[in-house]
Amino acid sequence: NAGVTQTPKFRILKIGQSMTLQCTQDMNHNYMYWYRQDPGMGLKLIYYSVGAGITDKGEVPNGYNVSRSTTEDFPLRLELAAPSQTSVYFCASSLATPGNTIYFGEGSWLTVV
Amino acid sequence: GENVEQHPSTLSVQEGDSAVIKCTYSDSASNYFPWYKQELGKRPQLIIDIRSNVGEKKDQRIAVTLNKTAKHFSLHITETQPEDSAVYFCAASHGSSNTGKLIFGQGTTLQVKP
Repeated sequence: NAGVTQTPKFRILKIGQSMTLQCTQDMNHNYMYWYRQDPGMGLKLIYYSVGAGITDKGEVPNGYNVSRSTTEDFPLRLELAAPSQTSVYFCASSLATPGNTIYFGEGSWLTVV
Repeated sequence: GENVEQHPSTLSVQEGDSAVIKCTYSDSASNYFPWYKQELGKRPQLIIDIRSNVGEKKDQRIAVTLNKTAKHFSLHITETQPEDSAVYFCAASHGSSNTGKLIFGQGTTLQVKP
């Protein structure tokens, strides 16, 4: 099992550009999450999903969109990139029971210039 | 919503000493409290967790204690080693919301000096 896989690992974007961070998991987890981590800071929840077709906002959703068409995939879309979106993005997943371990992907380093 | 505060932000100890990191949470409905370790440039990795029906849990050199009345929980690392140097995050999960989402503290950078 690969676990949680994110692509790309590194990306530089220009202000105003758009891009999609891809995330897929092969553990048949219903719950999936996107977090961002600014340098020297904790993780902030952007969006989460409790199953295919269901998504909801987290703590810092502005400037992002998500979709969940399958159990495996949970892409994060950045529209009109801004320097404030320079961060490390982590996708994560867990079983559909509160209190189950959340597994993180390796992270995607995004710089907006 | 839930808010998690973590202290201290940095902690430096001598190898072999103990380290304690403390977190407080705001939502009394939270019932799951994991601790993650993150090495530089790596993903967060779960090291220990505790549920609200338990007051203490231990796994070799690490332990976590939970005080639900005071809404705080702590990570204890004994006999620290240089490889324990990393950033540690506490988190809380709102069980009744049935989403599993975690709210994280700000992190503690632990440095273990040889």
